[in-house]
Amino acid sequence: DTAVSQTPKYLVTQMGNDKSIKCEQNLGHDTMYWYKQDSKKFLKIMFSYNNKELIINETVPNRFSPKSPDKAHLNLHINSLELGDSAVYFCASSQALGLAREQYFGPGTRLTVT
Amino acid sequence: AQTVTQSQPEMSVQEAETVTLSCTYDTSENNYYLFWYKQPPSRQMILVIRQEAYKQQNATENRFSVNFQKAAKSFSLKISDSQLGDTAMYFCACNTGANSKLTFGKGITLSVRP
Repeated sequence: DTAVSQTPKYLVTQMGNDKSIKCEQNLGHDTMYWYKQDSKKFLKIMFSYNNKELIINETVPNRFSPKSPDKAHLNLHINSLELGDSAVYFCASSQALGLAREQYFGPGTRLTVT
Repeated sequence: AQTVTQSQPEMSVQEAETVTLSCTYDTSENNYYLFWYKQPPSRQMILVIRQEAYKQQNATENRFSVNFQKAAKSFSLKISDSQLGDTAMYFCACNTGANSKLTFGKGITLSVRP
């Protein structure tokens, strides 16, 4: 029943490690996104994909690499984790690109880097 | 580039009363959409209401309505008959351009008192 799911929901890891967060949507949407919500709750787009094609790539360290194996999945891999990467990462999807499109968010993954 | 400003960090309202959350934005685009999203303690992001810039009529969804002042670039959210379940962070957001880039404000924490 879950529309947009993320795994894991919580991730605790040490500095320097590499980790991945997975996202899946069962809504049949074409467009998927990654957002980062920092400790002050500020939400900022990182990446978006449309039909597996990278559309938005904000100013994000190249340690972050998104991968979309198909339209229903968008994963986020993070290399050499740093303390400042601690945040909640949200995956979202929308039916297609477009101004009016509602974005459906996943439950978020709280990443804590120690 | 667009910016979204929510200057009130938090507000409190008595149950059953009405509260208005403020938001201003700035964009050079002629067509855009504005959104209010709700983030309760569960962390899930939920769309509350949306408004197309070309529509003069203010959007309404049950107890939620907006006051859209295009010239002033203001987009406030009015919650009528506040309920305890309305306690959450509320984010104002602006979507412009073909890439569906959603820009969020910093959010406001709303507490509904019993």
